[in-house]
Amino acid sequence: KQEVTQIPAALSVPEGENLVLNCSFTDSAIYNLQWFRQDPGKGLTSLLLIQSSQREQTSGRLNASLDKSSGRSTLYIAASQPGDSATYLCASSNTGTASKLTFGTGTRLQVTL
Amino acid sequence: NAGVTQTPKFRVLKTGQSMTLLCAQDMNHEYMYWYRQDPGMGLRLIHYSVGEGTTAKGEVPDGYNVSRLKKQNFLLGLESAAPSQTSVYFCASTAGQGPGELFFGEGSRLTVL
Repeated sequence: KQEVTQIPAALSVPEGENLVLNCSFTDSAIYNLQWFRQDPGKGLTSLLLIQSSQREQTSGRLNASLDKSSGRSTLYIAASQPGDSATYLCASSNTGTASKLTFGTGTRLQVTL
Repeated sequence: NAGVTQTPKFRVLKTGQSMTLLCAQDMNHEYMYWYRQDPGMGLRLIHYSVGEGTTAKGEVPDGYNVSRLKKQNFLLGLESAAPSQTSVYFCASTAGQGPGELFFGEGSRLTVL
């Protein structure tokens, strides 16, 4: 059974700092891995999706990497802004159960002025 | 496009009452999912559907039933609500054969007294 872990559970950084959020998974037979953002009281918004054949994906100030052999994915946020404050979740789908995602519990990010 | 719409957004039930949550998507997606989100536990899959007329159990299906009579709608039913079902429920959908980008509704907050 896939297990997805996100550490730390919470992170506070000053505005402008570059930061990395971590996601680890136990089963390397990944179909794809997604990063989501969740604002308080809201649903999840997909940020980046990395297919198993890819090593990274970029969107604006966000860059997500995938290393299946080590069971890790990272989300890099450049030049953080207060508007980036939210909870970030990663989720993996695995070959054989490609229709289902397993979610981590998220990292709550606060970017301070 | 409205995307994924959940109704109702809030509901309070007494133990033993029944209710149905409705999820509607206007993106012609094949796959639809119901998750529950509880503090410290992340999102857990309740039931999902890979197409009209199909349903399958997820990680925590007990106490819930679902139906997908129309492609655009996915209903989640609670026949006899229990306090343990107090949670925020999210519906999501995706196109294709495995989960591509996942689109979420805004959530339905259910309290069972």
